[in-house]
Amino acid sequence: GAVVSQHPSRVICKSGTSVKIECRSLDFQATTMFWYRQFPKQSLMLMATSNEGSKATYEQGVEKDKFLINHASLTLSTLTVTSAHPEDSSFYICSARQGGADTQYFGPGTRLTVL
Amino acid sequence: AQKITQTQPGMFVQEKEAVTLDCTYDTSDPSYGLFWYKQPSSGEMIFLIYQGSYDQQNATEGRYSLNFQKARKSANLVISASQLGDSAMYFCAMREVGRGFQKLVFGTGTRLLVSP
Repeated sequence: GAVVSQHPSRVICKSGTSVKIECRSLDFQATTMFWYRQFPKQSLMLMATSNEGSKATYEQGVEKDKFLINHASLTLSTLTVTSAHPEDSSFYICSARQGGADTQYFGPGTRLTVL
Repeated sequence: AQKITQTQPGMFVQEKEAVTLDCTYDTSDPSYGLFWYKQPSSGEMIFLIYQGSYDQQNATEGRYSLNFQKARKSANLVISASQLGDSAMYFCAMREVGRGFQKLVFGTGTRLLVSP
């Protein structure tokens, strides 16, 4: 149980385009989903927290207009990187938590490369 | 100040030996949770073990155990009988409440290499 999928696993795009990443909880209802960013050889940095049906809460320094998060259902959250630039190239990883549970379960991550 | 500190950037262990990965934390909240995750080269974060601040006993999950010393604010991960597949990055994390939401704060990680 507690499987989280992410799609795509890898994406290469041109500078200026937008990229959408999907995060799905496959076998549980995720009331809260989290989006993280990880640079090479570094730790995970939380970008935003989203609850189903409400606006995401962004961490300090994260541009909400650049990183659009939608949590439309209890099993799906999407992150859209708008007008991507090379500095947005990174490993993006989502996690999901069920109700008041303590544990977050992570997706396999998406490696974004912006040319 | 760092909330989660992992002082070992890298650790080496021989197969079948036990290894301890260090983690100290800092919080003033009486209720918190501590986690360990494993990240192999593929990038996925694999949940290993959880310890609640009010748990009386140290958490164990198979070959993983958490040496929880509340007074010292440490939550070290012990892997017994290391296997080659244990080679990965290991992250310690703490659950904290920020702006009404629970979130995880991660340490910088420890890279474990298991040799034959």
